[in-house]
Amino acid sequence: QLQQSGPGLVKPSQTLSLTCAISGDSVSSNSADWNWIRQSPSRGLEWLGRTYYRSKWFYDYAVSVKSRIIINPDASKNQFSLQLNSVTPEDTAVYYCVRDSNWGLFDNWGQGTLVTVSS
Amino acid sequence: EIVMTQSPLSLSVTPGQPASISCKSSQSLLQGDGKTYLYWYLQKPGQSPQVLMYEVFRRFSGVPDRFSGSGSGTDFTLKISRVEAEDVGVYYCMQGIELPYTFGQGTKLEIK
Repeated sequence: QLQQSGPGLVKPSQTLSLTCAISGDSVSSNSADWNWIRQSPSRGLEWLGRTYYRSKWFYDYAVSVKSRIIINPDASKNQFSLQLNSVTPEDTAVYYCVRDSNWGLFDNWGQGTLVTVSS
Repeated sequence: EIVMTQSPLSLSVTPGQPASISCKSSQSLLQGDGKTYLYWYLQKPGQSPQVLMYEVFRRFSGVPDRFSGSGSGTDFTLKISRVEAEDVGVYYCMQGIELPYTFGQGTKLEIK
């Protein structure tokens, strides 16, 4: 189970921060990747990035957000987070945290968080 | 990045009738390990997406056998042999062969 938390309203130029708490699995699992995906009417489903642990932590980010995004695992709390800096109204979307158990097999999704970027 | 193109973008089907959705990728999804990383997801109204099919034709746990997937290389099809009311929603294909993972635009299935 993935349980998301975080604010639903962020002001332009500020930072979007969401957290995904994991139950029934481990963020340090050697067989899962932990992703953030967003969905908006204009962009559809858009993969943003992932983190995974294979003896050390790895990170991959979409080029479209690479300069603004950080995905941070927290093994002590068994969760991972999304930080998206310098947001604009184009970042308004439903954000999902998602487990990938094998090369795009997204078998567990969070409930989704609608984040609106507006002043 | 790999572009995924679905057709049609909407379907209206009578219960008990079949339905078919096409998905084309801008490059082959066949990996060196012999597997083809093409997935189908269904997003029911008000819900998060859920996986239906993986590696083209493998049904995910709990998915009814009226769903089937086929295709190879760049051309893929999802078929529902007999549509039921619970099948309404938006269907997405997705490629998992390279980053960024990319989705099709979605096909909205409605019941007549």
